[in-house]
Amino acid sequence: EAAVTQSPRNKVAVTGGKVTLSCNQTNNHNNMYWYRQDTGHGLRLIHYSYGAGSTEKGDIPDGYKASRPSQENFSLILELATPSQTSVYFCASGDLRDNNQAPLFGEGTRLSVL
Amino acid sequence: GQQVQQSPASLVLQEGENAELQCNFSTSLNSMQWFYQRPGGSLVSLFYNPSGTKHSGRLTSTTVIKERRSSLHISSSQTTDSGTYLCALVNNAGAKLTFGGGTRLTVRP
Repeated sequence: EAAVTQSPRNKVAVTGGKVTLSCNQTNNHNNMYWYRQDTGHGLRLIHYSYGAGSTEKGDIPDGYKASRPSQENFSLILELATPSQTSVYFCASGDLRDNNQAPLFGEGTRLSVL
Repeated sequence: GQQVQQSPASLVLQEGENAELQCNFSTSLNSMQWFYQRPGGSLVSLFYNPSGTKHSGRLTSTTVIKERRSSLHISSSQTTDSGTYLCALVNNAGAKLTFGGGTRLTVRP
């Protein structure tokens, strides 16, 4: 069954620390996405990828890096976490050019930076 | 400016009432999608609707591209419909989704 799995599901980090959020998809999708969701802002795109080795900046990339070492895995990296990065992060996979295919979202990672 | 705007921001219904959720966009698009998000949960795709009208059970989505709007109609609402409804536009390159702020729906028994 097609799936997008995020880990960890919850994370508490300290300001200035490094945080890595992981995402794995079993759908063989080329495109993967990282979003954050905050009250009043909906979901905002941080980084995305067209395939292994590719990373692209989304709408709010500052303070984040991304890594796509394989078709299945896409990581979001906060090198120096700040309290403003406290949020819920969603990973998704899918080919948006295919009108018969909807993107699939993971369950989300709740990150608190203290 | 914000490319995708949803209204209303929140809505409270009595079970059995109908709802009309609106999504307006200010840029050209490839397609429009509607998602449902249960409280504290993930997003589930409801419709992938580039234009025209689509039906799924008690839900109807209508997208009018030349008027830059899309709507989601929920008929005979149920308490299990409570949650957040999000619209998102797919840009012309088909590369990414841009989301609206969502409509938080509460259906009371």
